[in-house]
Amino acid sequence: QVQLVQSAAEVKKPGASVKVSCKASGYIFTTYYMHWVRQAPGQGLEWMGIINPGGGSTTYTQKFQGRVTMTRDTSTSTVYMEVSSLRSDDTAVYYCAREALEGRYNFDHWGQGTLVTVSS
Amino acid sequence: QSALTQPASVSGSPGQSITVSCTGTSSDVGGYNYVSWYQQHPGKAPKLMIYDVSNRPSGVSNRFSGSKSGNTASLTISGLQAEDEADYYCSSYTSSSTGVFGTGTKVIVL
Repeated sequence: QVQLVQSAAEVKKPGASVKVSCKASGYIFTTYYMHWVRQAPGQGLEWMGIINPGGGSTTYTQKFQGRVTMTRDTSTSTVYMEVSSLRSDDTAVYYCAREALEGRYNFDHWGQGTLVTVSS
Repeated sequence: QSALTQPASVSGSPGQSITVSCTGTSSDVGGYNYVSWYQQHPGKAPKLMIYDVSNRPSGVSNRFSGSKSGNTASLTISGLQAEDEADYYCSSYTSSSTGVFGTGTKVIVL
């Protein structure tokens, strides 16, 4: 069965960077695009960007361009999402979400989420 | 890219039908048939309920249905049940090849 397992919660200071991982299993890793979505405490979902695990190409929403980097390691079927210059308003649960093959930007499987807390 | 607009809350009694709206622009909801809906219970990851405006993934109850007219998409839950109480988010592909979510709607079962 499809599984997306994310790394453990992190606590970071303002100005630091954080790298969250998402290990995929149960399907052909390079066939499905992967997205990252975040959710601040008590707030809604926010789309951050997409990576093509096959070729490595990425697209980020304008808000995060220059501060977010998405990468992948095909040898371990893992995608990574790094956020730099962290601020307190980056405190959120970060999810990886697999895009289904049908249609566009339909997220059929999600990771369990990784809480990133930014605090001095 | 601004978030799609959803009502903050919608309520109904068990057995009733409710509809959640999701309003965007011609650059997202109105421009593509790539609107999806997600259900999220507290402390849980979202779950795909509807994709491509009106398609249900395998395993999702047929009490959930979707539609679209112009720049507004809608999710209808018929035969409302206690377990349907959750937050619901719409999402759309955009003309910038990015994604955008709605503001979210809390469905309350009275």
